[in-house]
Amino acid sequence: DAGVIQSPRHEVTEMGQEVTLRCKPISGHDYLFWYRQTMMRGLELLIYFNNNVPIDDSGMPEDRFSAKMPNASFSTLKIQPSEPRDSAVYFCASSSPPRAYEQYFGPGTRLTVT
Amino acid sequence: AQSVAQPEDQVNVAEGNPLTVKCTYSVSGNPYLFWYVQYPNRGLQFLLKYITGDNLVKGSYGFEAEFNKSQTSFHLKKPSALVSDSALYFCAVSRRDDKIIFGKGTRLHILP
Repeated sequence: DAGVIQSPRHEVTEMGQEVTLRCKPISGHDYLFWYRQTMMRGLELLIYFNNNVPIDDSGMPEDRFSAKMPNASFSTLKIQPSEPRDSAVYFCASSSPPRAYEQYFGPGTRLTVT
Repeated sequence: AQSVAQPEDQVNVAEGNPLTVKCTYSVSGNPYLFWYVQYPNRGLQFLLKYITGDNLVKGSYGFEAEFNKSQTSFHLKKPSALVSDSALYFCAVSRRDDKIIFGKGTRLHILP
């Protein structure tokens, strides 16, 4: 298996632009997680899905952030409009019961908003 | 609410010496505890877990961790450090649901 795939690996955009991050989980995994990592705040869980349904989005910072999972093999995290404070590394992870806690992380997308 | 604390931002150890990376947790009920490792420019990798049973759990790359309920700790250990162990280490806790809470991470430097 190729593991969790994220694209793009790097994204540089200007403030106010829309940004879309993409994730393909490991085939057969029922859970998908989006995290954000910064030096100041560490690793934060933004949202997670089970069987394509959002279960907990309490970590989504504000309405500018949205996430979707239209099918079992694809998810997006969108920021509109983007702001410089959104600059971070965004990770997608997936897992499968009964080991839902053993998450497999993608390589991350490094987002820079200027 | 569940939380996890890693009191050291950085730990320096000479190659060949034993290493310990500290973690304490707070959770109601019985905890599920984990260690993950992150190498530069990579995502996190699962190292080991404690769910139930023996307090000493063994994981990948020769690492082990000891669950101490009275001290609410789950320290990561290795008897002999390698330079290749240098990385960022995350302790995490869960309460039997699917969401896990990560600590802020401890950067481990193994000095040759």
